[in-house]
Amino acid sequence: SQQGEEDPQALSIQEGENATMNCSYKTSINNLQWYRQNSGRGLVHLILIRSNEREKHSGRLRVTLDTSKKSSSLLITASRAADTASYFCATTQGGSEKLVFGKGTKLTVNP
Amino acid sequence: NAGVTQTPKFQVLKTGQSMTLQCAQDMNHNSMYWYRQDPGMGLRLIYYSASEGTTDKGEVPNGYNVSRLNKREFSLRLESAAPSQTSVYFCASREEVESSPLHFGNGTRLTVT
Repeated sequence: SQQGEEDPQALSIQEGENATMNCSYKTSINNLQWYRQNSGRGLVHLILIRSNEREKHSGRLRVTLDTSKKSSSLLITASRAADTASYFCATTQGGSEKLVFGKGTKLTVNP
Repeated sequence: NAGVTQTPKFQVLKTGQSMTLQCAQDMNHNSMYWYRQDPGMGLRLIYYSASEGTTDKGEVPNGYNVSRLNKREFSLRLESAAPSQTSVYFCASREEVESSPLHFGNGTRLTVT
């Protein structure tokens, strides 16, 4: 079964606004990663947050992790039309090599 | 560096036909993966290979076989294709470090009629 579940499934905003996507997971994790997928392309890694971290930044991206609630959020600030894509969270558990993905949030940024 | 290369990009099969999806990476990664992506289902892990010579089942392995031919190449075989295997298939690789990110190919779009 899939580990992560993103929320919302779809999000439509105006350019310049902030976009927040959430990910919930079921079991304890070692780390959580966020990926982006442009239409018709493979996924691209955005950012990783370890289980002992609470917040991480990379450019316009801010990721938080709450292990007590088994949830993470991805914030994209000052969104651009080029941010239009689907965003996925992925987790690994224990010593497993398996990286399990959620169903994704489809973000549309309107110019 | 080409990264992860998948062939073919598109394929149409008839029910019962067989085919092999090819994947190669030039990043010297130990771990390689096959995922399928269906609308509303996200990505689901079919098989993975933690290192050359080893393979393990993922979430949805039924109907598929894999071969880790060498460190670079990891192929996915459909012995008898079914319409339920219509999907987009992605190959990915990463270093054998637990926190390392996945690098994806651009996918193979497979239709089984």
